[in-house]
Amino acid sequence: NAGVTQTPKFQVLKTGQSMTLQCAQDMNHNSMYWYRQDPGMGLRLIYYSASEGTTDKGEVPNGYNVSRLNKREFSLRLESAAPSQTSVYFCASTLAGQETQYFGPGTRLLVL
Amino acid sequence: GQSLEQPSEVTAVEGAIVQINCTYQTSGFYGLSWYQQHDGGAPTFLSYNALDGLEETGRFSSFLSRSDSYGYLLLQELQMKDSASYFCAAPNAGNNRKLIWGLGTSLAVNP
Repeated sequence: NAGVTQTPKFQVLKTGQSMTLQCAQDMNHNSMYWYRQDPGMGLRLIYYSASEGTTDKGEVPNGYNVSRLNKREFSLRLESAAPSQTSVYFCASTLAGQETQYFGPGTRLLVL
Repeated sequence: GQSLEQPSEVTAVEGAIVQINCTYQTSGFYGLSWYQQHDGGAPTFLSYNALDGLEETGRFSSFLSRSDSYGYLLLQELQMKDSASYFCAAPNAGNNRKLIWGLGTSLAVNP
């Protein structure tokens, strides 16, 4: 089991560029999440997907879109990157009825 | 709204015991989770308390008091590798598939 994997690990973008962050889990989990983490701000939920085919907004969805491609994969897209989106992005997943969220290693994004 | 409050920093020495508190305000409450995050790493799950009382897992224990809207993580026999950030989290009262997170407590363990 690889658990939760994320690509890329690091990325530098210029303002206005677009990119997609990929996330996959091999634990047959139902729910998947995208968080961003900034110094002093803790973890903030961007979007989540309770099950394949459904997505819902979290606390900070503006500037992002998501796709739950299938049960395994949940991608996060920045259509027009802004410096305020410089952050560390974590994907997580959980099995329905369980409390444990399993996190990927994170993507460190710098927007210039 | 919901919020979880925890101290921003705690310092202790190797071999000591440290308690990290978390108080919460929520209209509905399911339980309290704790996660550990080392610098540059991802959060990892430590424990979950759905009921009042103490849950023990090795050197780490977690406690919940629903009547006091309060929980804590207790770390015993501290080791240098325990230096990390610790987050409390609780399911969102309106949608328990989402977690509400505290801002984290940075624990520094000194020799």
